[in-house]
Amino acid sequence: TQLLEQSPQFLSIQEGENLTVYCNSSSVFSSLQWYRQEPGEGPVLLVTVVTGGEVKKLKRLTFQFGDARKDSSLHITAAQPGDTGLYLCAGVSSASKIIFGSGTRLSIRP
Amino acid sequence: ETGVTQTPRHLVMGMTNKKSLKCEQHLGHNAMYWYKQSAKKPLELMFVYNFKEQTENNSVPSRFSPECPNSSHLFLHLHTLQPEDSALYLCASSPTDGTSNPQYFGPGTRLTVL
Repeated sequence: TQLLEQSPQFLSIQEGENLTVYCNSSSVFSSLQWYRQEPGEGPVLLVTVVTGGEVKKLKRLTFQFGDARKDSSLHITAAQPGDTGLYLCAGVSSASKIIFGSGTRLSIRP
Repeated sequence: ETGVTQTPRHLVMGMTNKKSLKCEQHLGHNAMYWYKQSAKKPLELMFVYNFKEQTENNSVPSRFSPECPNSSHLFLHLHTLQPEDSALYLCASSPTDGTSNPQYFGPGTRLTVL
């Protein structure tokens, strides 16, 4: 069974600080997606990474796919209160099945 | 109206009730999904429909019964539920299943079983 572990589970930091959250698996994925879910809403796609070692930037968010396509990280620079939410990674297997991680709940204090 | 909509947004039901959740997508997608989101557990995929045909049932108890009358609508019929079925039920759609296409989620139905 493929599993995606996210760490940390919870993170509370001050506005303006930097942070990194991780998504790890022992399995290889053909691609990996990151979503953000705000209270009362469904998850919204932020980015998809496909190639091992790929780096994508979305404003202050930087996403990296591991060289072996088993792990990924999300780095946020100068966090803002609007970044608060549940961050979910989702791996797409070679059989095109999507598996979600357990999530990182991020809180940014003003 | 755009995107993926779900009704009702909140539902409280007793264990002997029968209710239905509704999902509608306005994105022209051909795949639709039901997920269960519980506290402290990853999103659990329940059912997948691709071009109106059920292609996946992840060992979901028979007290949950999906229905997909067309590519735009998806229902989840509930009967004789248990308190542990209380959760956020999310509907999603994607252009087709079986690819790395992203999932477009609705806002969810918060279900409480008493």
